[in-house]
Amino acid sequence: AQRVTQPEKLLSVFKGAPVELKCNYSYSGSPELFWYVQYSRQRLQLLLRHISRESIKGFTADLNKGETSFHLKKPFAQEEDSAMYYCALRGQAGTALIFGKGTTLSVSS
Amino acid sequence: EAGVAQSPRYKIIEKRQSVAFWCNPISGHATLYWYQQILGQGPKLLIQFQNNGVVDDSQLPKDRFSAERLKGVDSTLKIQPAKLEDSAVYLCASSPIRTGANYGYTFGSGTRLTVV
Repeated sequence: AQRVTQPEKLLSVFKGAPVELKCNYSYSGSPELFWYVQYSRQRLQLLLRHISRESIKGFTADLNKGETSFHLKKPFAQEEDSAMYYCALRGQAGTALIFGKGTTLSVSS
Repeated sequence: EAGVAQSPRYKIIEKRQSVAFWCNPISGHATLYWYQQILGQGPKLLIQFQNNGVVDDSQLPKDRFSAERLKGVDSTLKIQPAKLEDSAVYLCASSPIRTGANYGYTFGSGTRLTVV
């Protein structure tokens, strides 16, 4: 069965500290992985996708097939990074995304 | 480009009543999704359309939920009769069809349903 696990409900860090939001997945094939973010009072939006190997707002994520993980990282957290973060998986092409339960990131000064 | 439009933004109904939600996807997006997001959980797929055909409705509680996408554009999601556990945010999303591409969705702002 396809599943996405985000083990932390809440992650609290100080401004300037490194951030790592964990995501583990269960899928027997080659998945497509995404990170979505929802800022306060805004709609859910795409942050980044593994195939692009991009860095958005200083965030990066590397797909580790051996550990079935797709952790989201940022070296220096900013207060504006405070938001809800969801990891999502697509198995077969054309199928819908499966989301994890999300992690709330709180960055304080 | 205009985003995914949803209405209403909020709805409060009594249990056993019926309710309908509307979604207008981004122009040209062939695929439309309805997700249910219960407080504290991630979005859960209810139904996926491609144009006006259903691709996946395996998690739609068909005894009370129905959805349609006439003409392959707008979509409506209906609950009849509603139960307390249907209280959630109902999200609509759309995406284009791009063979071989790793694309994401564009989400609407959602409809927050409270069943009392």
